[in-house]
Amino acid sequence: KNEVEQSPQNLTAQEGEFITINCSYSVGISALHWLQQHPGGGIVSLFMLSSGKKKHGRLIATINIQEKHSSLHITASHPRDSAVYICAVAYTDKLIFGTGTRLQVFP
Amino acid sequence: GAGVSQTPSNKVTEKGKYVELRCDPISGHTALYWYRQSLGQGPEFLIYFQGTGAADDSGLPNDRFFAVRPEGSVSTLKIQRTERGDSAVYLCASSPQADWYNEQFFGPGTRLTVL
Repeated sequence: KNEVEQSPQNLTAQEGEFITINCSYSVGISALHWLQQHPGGGIVSLFMLSSGKKKHGRLIATINIQEKHSSLHITASHPRDSAVYICAVAYTDKLIFGTGTRLQVFP
Repeated sequence: GAGVSQTPSNKVTEKGKYVELRCDPISGHTALYWYRQSLGQGPEFLIYFQGTGAADDSGLPNDRFFAVRPEGSVSTLKIQRTERGDSAVYLCASSPQADWYNEQFFGPGTRLTVL
């Protein structure tokens, strides 16, 4: 069993839809990161969370430490949001990554 | 300012050959990380440096892999006697400090193909 599991693995949406991507983890962590990876490999850090909720533009990330679960929400999705979204947890001195959720938003 | 850069962007080599992959971190970032990403998978931790020293190399898969950062800036990941299973995208990231509360800034990666 992977220490970090994401769901769904693949997600398609129509422009304007509300998107939710989930991340569950099985280890005690100090922080959780949400990352975005576009085709060609470039990875961009979206959020770092240790508790509660963060919002940046149309993106919202929440974490429940007790339940070992985090969600990334995208409001009013747009085709430019199409990418792979990766959850990574900070465990001891390492980042452990999920396998990613591939999102495609169609106009 | 300049972000993290990696060279080469693509490297094709034959089984058994030696390769070096280079990472130029953001100026002033003391922490530097190497990851490997296989197709359809998330990145996998290899090694990280705090300054010139390797703080944790437990992710290196075997002794064919080695990394250095002699002056605390540029880092080189070295792979000896390459195998087909080494084919992956090798990602480098840097951070102001080796503190998991700091954002990591990723380079574009080097795609290594071992024939």
